[in-house]
Amino acid sequence: NAGVTQTPKFRVLKTGQSMTLLCAQDMNHEYMYWYRQDPGMGLRLIHYSVGEGTTAKGEVPDGYNVSRLKKQNFLLGLESAAPSQTSVYFCASRKTGTGTGELFFGEGSRLTVL
Amino acid sequence: GNSVTQMEGPVTLSEEAFLTINCTYTATGYPSLFWYVQYPGEGLQLLLKATKADDKGSNKGFEATYRKETTSFHLEKGSVQVSDSAVYFCALRGDSNYQLIWGAGTKLIIKP
Repeated sequence: NAGVTQTPKFRVLKTGQSMTLLCAQDMNHEYMYWYRQDPGMGLRLIHYSVGEGTTAKGEVPDGYNVSRLKKQNFLLGLESAAPSQTSVYFCASRKTGTGTGELFFGEGSRLTVL
Repeated sequence: GNSVTQMEGPVTLSEEAFLTINCTYTATGYPSLFWYVQYPGEGLQLLLKATKADDKGSNKGFEATYRKETTSFHLEKGSVQVSDSAVYFCALRGDSNYQLIWGAGTKLIIKP
């Protein structure tokens, strides 16, 4: 019953530090997404992937990099963290096809940049 | 481009009250429409969906009807409970099969 798992769940960084958020899904989904959630702004797409070895930019990609070396994992990296990247980050996945389009979300990773 | 507009929150109601959360959209073609719910401290989960005009999605006592003539997908529930307190997001999937377009979310607070 794991679904989508994000690690870490909480992290505090200093400005300029780097870190990686890991997302793992065990549903054999092709599509994976990284969103950030900020008060009053809903969800904003950072990057996404439509399959192993592929990535694409979303709405707010600057300052982030991603990799999808394995189908089940989608990594989000911050090379030089800034206070503006303080947010809650959500990973999501879904299967291909024109079905329901249902996204399955992780529980979120709360990042604070001082 | 495609967009989703939700009523601003928070919406505060008493238990057993009737709920409506408005959602309107702008899209070309025939988008699919969704409501997701986020309970405190959790990720989002699908609440209901509709894939074509006049479809009604329903789940856990919540309903929403896809109205193409008014480009709306309002969420309703006849009698809310304290456990319905959460943030509700309206979303659409348009021509792009990869991405959802999200509303800003509406926080719902139900008081006993």
